[in-house]
Amino acid sequence: QVQLQQWGAGLLKPSETLSLTCAVYGGSFSGYYWSWIRQPPGKGLEWIGEINHSGSTNYNPSLKSRVTISVDTSKNQFSLKVSSVTAADTAVYYCAGRLSSIAARQLGIRFDPWGQGTLVTVSS
Amino acid sequence: EIVLTQSPGTLSLSPGERATLSCRASQSVSSSYLAWYQQKPGQAPRLLIYGASSRATGIPDRFSGSGSGTDFTLTISRLEPEDFAVYYCQQYGSFITFGQGTRLEIK
Repeated sequence: QVQLQQWGAGLLKPSETLSLTCAVYGGSFSGYYWSWIRQPPGKGLEWIGEINHSGSTNYNPSLKSRVTISVDTSKNQFSLKVSSVTAADTAVYYCAGRLSSIAARQLGIRFDPWGQGTLVTVSS
Repeated sequence: EIVLTQSPGTLSLSPGERATLSCRASQSVSSSYLAWYQQKPGQAPRLLIYGASSRATGIPDRFSGSGSGTDFTLTISRLEPEDFAVYYCQQYGSFITFGQGTRLEIK
């Protein structure tokens, strides 16, 4: 069973760079697309972007200019960086995975598993 | 961008009742690309339904999904106390988007 463990700095000042990492345990790292999803306090979910084991990425156009997602296959980890953060970037950030095979795509694209979430607060 | 609009925003029901949650897309969505999640306070979302109608592993059969094109529905046949939570639909198109959520609260 695939499990995700995430970590990173929880308090940032405006203009700093947000940095989070997610480690994958117990399954096939190469069999998934790995995503970051965020949720501002009291609000809904926003997909940030995703990466696969070979480094192919897709980003939400609204965040693309400030976001970098990278992968370290030697450690089964992937990371998120968001530059020039403001208070609007305050949110719980989740890592999540979706199976990347054609068969899985035909059955249905879905996020499972999820990390435990990290609250990132941007405040001066 | 495909916008998902969920209704109602809040649904107040009693245990044992039937819940019907709606997710409407601004453009047609492939059924393979529509999923539903449940989220409780302080927890990550939990996958319930994928491919519009397939239950995820371990999800009770009181949860069912249906729909096609632009209209999708999550039905909970008989509400249990643990079902009161926020529910999100999600689609995969040019990029991934979520609905704004439906809060299911105890009446």
